[in-house]
Amino acid sequence: DIVMTQSPDSLAVSLGERATINCKSSQSVLYSSNNKTYLTWYQQKPGQPPKVVIYWASTRETGVPDRFSGSGSGTDFTLTISSLQAEDVAVYYCQQYYTTPRTFGQGTKVEIK
Amino acid sequence: QVQLVQSGAEVKKPGASVKVSCKASGYTFSSYDISWVRQAPGQGLEWMGWISPSNGNTNYAQKFQGRVTMTPDTSTSTAYMELRSLRTDDTAVYYCARDMHYGAGSPWGQGTLVTVSS
Repeated sequence: DIVMTQSPDSLAVSLGERATINCKSSQSVLYSSNNKTYLTWYQQKPGQPPKVVIYWASTRETGVPDRFSGSGSGTDFTLTISSLQAEDVAVYYCQQYYTTPRTFGQGTKVEIK
Repeated sequence: QVQLVQSGAEVKKPGASVKVSCKASGYTFSSYDISWVRQAPGQGLEWMGWISPSNGNTNYAQKFQGRVTMTPDTSTSTAYMELRSLRTDDTAVYYCARDMHYGAGSPWGQGTLVTVSS
């Protein structure tokens, strides 16, 4: 199984400041036949199901504010919130869709400092 | 709009079975796989498997092999997930999600809380 490891487990950031979450996969999630990287970022707010923020490692889902961006390749990925807003308080998960089982990272809790 | 609506909360005794439903609307049900994911209280997300409603093909996580069955009902655009031989550590919120071609679950159902307690 591909192991997904996120860091940190939690972070507290002041409003308007940058938040950075890392995700490392135990093997590459690049699908060579179409050159797509099957790494997805989700946001989960309390009492709600997860919502897609970023797919293909760096493509923002429709309707997601442009303060969210994804980067990385191969096995190392980053989700950045450029200017943290109160509504961004949530737990963020990475997931690989490269192969089954489609494993998740353990989650990173983002709070306001 | 695209929506997945799940069945209501369940309370079961250890050793029993539970069957959770996920009714799709707003899109062609047979055109997208459905994944099932669970989340124990205060814990992270755990992928359980997927089903292709078009042909009934399934792929289950090894952890659940032999205890889980996912089925589709194309006549009602509903996917089902049955988990047998329940244990207390199966207590969790169970979610269904539509699998998108770009490799993400979107949208997700609202979740179904399954509580296993004697």
